Amino acid sequence: AQSVTQLDSHVSVSEGTPVLLRCNYSSSYSPSLFWYVQHPNKGLQLLLKYTSAATLVKGINGFEAEFKKSETSFHLTKPSAHMSDAAEYFCVVTTGTTYKYIFGTGTRLKVLA
Amino acid sequence: KAGVTQTPRYLIKTRGQQVTLSCSPISGHRSVSWYQQTPGQGLQFLFEYFSETQRNKGNFPGRFSGRQFSNSRSEMNVSTLELGDSALYLCASSLGWGEDEAFFGQGTRLTVV
Repeated sequence: AQSVTQLDSHVSVSEGTPVLLRCNYSSSYSPSLFWYVQHPNKGLQLLLKYTSAATLVKGINGFEAEFKKSETSFHLTKPSAHMSDAAEYFCVVTTGTTYKYIFGTGTRLKVLA
Repeated sequence: KAGVTQTPRYLIKTRGQQVTLSCSPISGHRSVSWYQQTPGQGLQFLFEYFSETQRNKGNFPGRFSGRQFSNSRSEMNVSTLELGDSALYLCASSLGWGEDEAFFGQGTRLTVV
């Protein structure tokens, strides 16, 4: 069985400060992990993915995430927040045989001017 | 390269009616998945199709059904609509090898009155 827990439902940061969105996962098999972003009234856009290659994954728009097996975590970070980063972020887990994504409950990121 | 196209973007239906939503995947993608997004339940997996075969389905009542055509386009149908079916329905396409990233459409916003 797989599951994913996003530890914060809301995160507020000031523009120019670092962003940390936390995600813990559970999986019986080697997981693939993703982060997606959803802007208001939009679909989901892929930020980055981990599929058992390098544990530090770089994505679009300056985001990156580190896969830590010992901590079952896949936290999303960005060194400097921009106003355009304000959106909802979803952590996702899947395995190669289930053909479905398990979504976290989402973290709404607010960026203050 | 065209993205995932969902039609229509918005729908208003009456309780008891049925509705059909359409999804055209990215060219070359053979897998199409459907998800329901609501404020209370978040993003939940409905079903996944690959080469016209359903490989997995979520825990939804039989009123929710889907199919995939030989050109990979997919439709989902909801019969006997209930107020609780009001949601954003998202379609995702991928190559279909389980760990691939999925690309999402902008969704169909269904309102049941």
